[in-house]
Amino acid sequence: DSGVTQTPKHLITATGQRVTLRCSPRSGDLSVYWYQQSLDQGLQFLIQYYNGEERAKGNILERFSAQQFPDLHSELNLSSLELGDSALYFCASSVGGLDTGELFFGEGSRLTVL
Amino acid sequence: AQTVTQSQPEMSVQEAETVTLSCTYDTSENNYYLFWYKQPPSRQMILVIRQEAYKQQNATENRFSVNFQKAAKSFSLKISDSQLGDTAMYFCAFKTSNTGKLIFGQGTTLQVKP
Repeated sequence: DSGVTQTPKHLITATGQRVTLRCSPRSGDLSVYWYQQSLDQGLQFLIQYYNGEERAKGNILERFSAQQFPDLHSELNLSSLELGDSALYFCASSVGGLDTGELFFGEGSRLTVL
Repeated sequence: AQTVTQSQPEMSVQEAETVTLSCTYDTSENNYYLFWYKQPPSRQMILVIRQEAYKQQNATENRFSVNFQKAAKSFSLKISDSQLGDTAMYFCAFKTSNTGKLIFGQGTTLQVKP
């Protein structure tokens, strides 16, 4: 158990809908990262938050947004969903914003868009 | 831009034998960190081993070791005495010292056969 909790584990929805994925980092970790894993794109970095503020942005679509709350949990909002958004979404956490240590990953949220 | 390349999409090995997974990366940075993560069918991302670029000595963790060739920008993973539980997808990942995010390769699916 990595200590990173993601909910829901599985989600099935329709095109055009909006979903929210939730992540609770390890106790004491200030950074949260979101990754998208799909068969054709591999593991793509979406966004990083550090202590409530956006720290780095990757290949995140404008239809997607994220935030980190004062209790350090994070939410990834996906709207106007398309078939191509079907993927495994991982949250990871680390102690600092620029630390050199490993990222600890949650078990992922499997999103299926029909 | 930093990139990570894993040229072997799939590999297989007999139980108890040794296998080497390849990874190359491209960066102009001098200070960085390299990782191998394992993703078993349970889909949890688990850190296998890490290497700091400033260290000349190759990292080892029990049956797992790396061959780090900084000049060649190569970072291969050797698994000795392969076990059935090693069956998983393996990702090579890279992080610079001025960022927290990991950049992943496309992954290598390893099957250990009894």
